[in-house]
Amino acid sequence: KNQVEQSPQSLIILEGKNCTLQCNYTVSPFSNLRWYKQDTGRGPVSLTIMTFSENTKSNGRYTATLDADTKQSSLHITASQLSDSASYICVVSEDTDKLIFGTGTRLQVFP
Amino acid sequence: GAVVSQHPSWVICKSGTSVKIECRSLDFQATTMFWYRQFPKQSLMLMATSNEGSKATYEQGVEKDKFLINHASLTLSTLTVTSAHPEDSSFYICSAWGVAGSYEQYFGPGTRLTVT
Repeated sequence: KNQVEQSPQSLIILEGKNCTLQCNYTVSPFSNLRWYKQDTGRGPVSLTIMTFSENTKSNGRYTATLDADTKQSSLHITASQLSDSASYICVVSEDTDKLIFGTGTRLQVFP
Repeated sequence: GAVVSQHPSWVICKSGTSVKIECRSLDFQATTMFWYRQFPKQSLMLMATSNEGSKATYEQGVEKDKFLINHASLTLSTLTVTSAHPEDSSFYICSAWGVAGSYEQYFGPGTRLTVT
């Protein structure tokens, strides 16, 4: 069964600190992996999207890595800000349109 | 970047009534639109996939007669929740796909439905 698992489920950090979120997947065949940020009561916003051949991709303070051999991905947030408080969702696509969502990591950044 | 809008952003309706939610791609033509439902503290669950001009494909367990989807144009899809019940209260999110050369799905801001 195609699954996407994320850890930790929730995370609290202080403003200015770094953090890393993890994503493991069993989706096959694999097309691409995405990280989304979802603020409470809002739709998801894309942070990065990586295909099989890409190992890392950055978007400002967000850096995603992908190891297609071990089927693992991580999202690293540098110098966290209060506005980073949100749910971060790892999503894997088995083809070009159907997405399989992880349950998300809820990040809270405190001053 | 590509923008997807939803209307209304929130709606309260009485049990037994129907509610229509609109999803629009504002600056691109969406060949495919998706409808998701999200319950509190849970991830998005795909309800159906719709392609312009054809019938929607519903996921297992989603009642097609209850959740009517119309994708009449390349920029508009609608979801109608018929005979709504309190258990239909949820956050409904649409996404659109169709930017040439891109895998990206662009999500709308969501619609909060509360059925009393």
